[in-house]
Amino acid sequence: DARVTQTPRHKVTEMGQEVTMRCQPILGHNTVFWYRQTMMQGLELLAYFRNRAPLDDSGMPKDRFSAEMPDATLATLKIQPSEPRDSAVYFCASGLNKGGAFFGQGTRLTVV
Amino acid sequence: AQKITQTQPGMFVQEKEAVTLDCTYDTSDQSYGLFWYKQPSSGEMIFLIYQGSYDEQNATEGRYSLNFQKARKSANLVISASQLGDSAMYFCAMRTGPNFGNEKLTFGTGTRLTIIP
Repeated sequence: DARVTQTPRHKVTEMGQEVTMRCQPILGHNTVFWYRQTMMQGLELLAYFRNRAPLDDSGMPKDRFSAEMPDATLATLKIQPSEPRDSAVYFCASGLNKGGAFFGQGTRLTVV
Repeated sequence: AQKITQTQPGMFVQEKEAVTLDCTYDTSDQSYGLFWYKQPSSGEMIFLIYQGSYDEQNATEGRYSLNFQKARKSANLVISASQLGDSAMYFCAMRTGPNFGNEKLTFGTGTRLTIIP
């Protein structure tokens, strides 16, 4: 059963610490999205990649967030340094050029 | 710019009744795709149904159907014979551009559906 895998599922960290979230997209999918979900803002697109190349990361605070795809089986989202306002659920999703995106189960991040 | 509007923040429906969740969209692109996702209390995002802008038939997937009215720019989700397990948050979303190649997936604010026994 093909699915998007995200790790970790939960992360509690102290303000100022580095956080790295990982995503394994569905094999064969060439598009990867990173979303953040909060009660106040809903689902926000942070970044997305096509064939491992970043296409749009305008939704991401550049000073502290970075997103990469070191290879076709791994996407990473890093926050350094983390702040309490970064507390949210972070979703990775993968898809093809056309059609829907399939989401991972998310990483629930709490920054204290 | 693309925009998705879901005007129903919450709905309560009796079990076994049909449900219609509203979604309107705004885009200047001719080629786009419309999607519905379900988010239960567990938090996962489940892809339900997809409609392409050039598809002549309304999409159906089991108990889900998408009432696509292109001229009105609406893409309502219809759930037939609702079940208790349908209680969840439902999001409408859109991708635009040729083959949706370079456009992001834009989400609405969601509708929280509660099925009453």
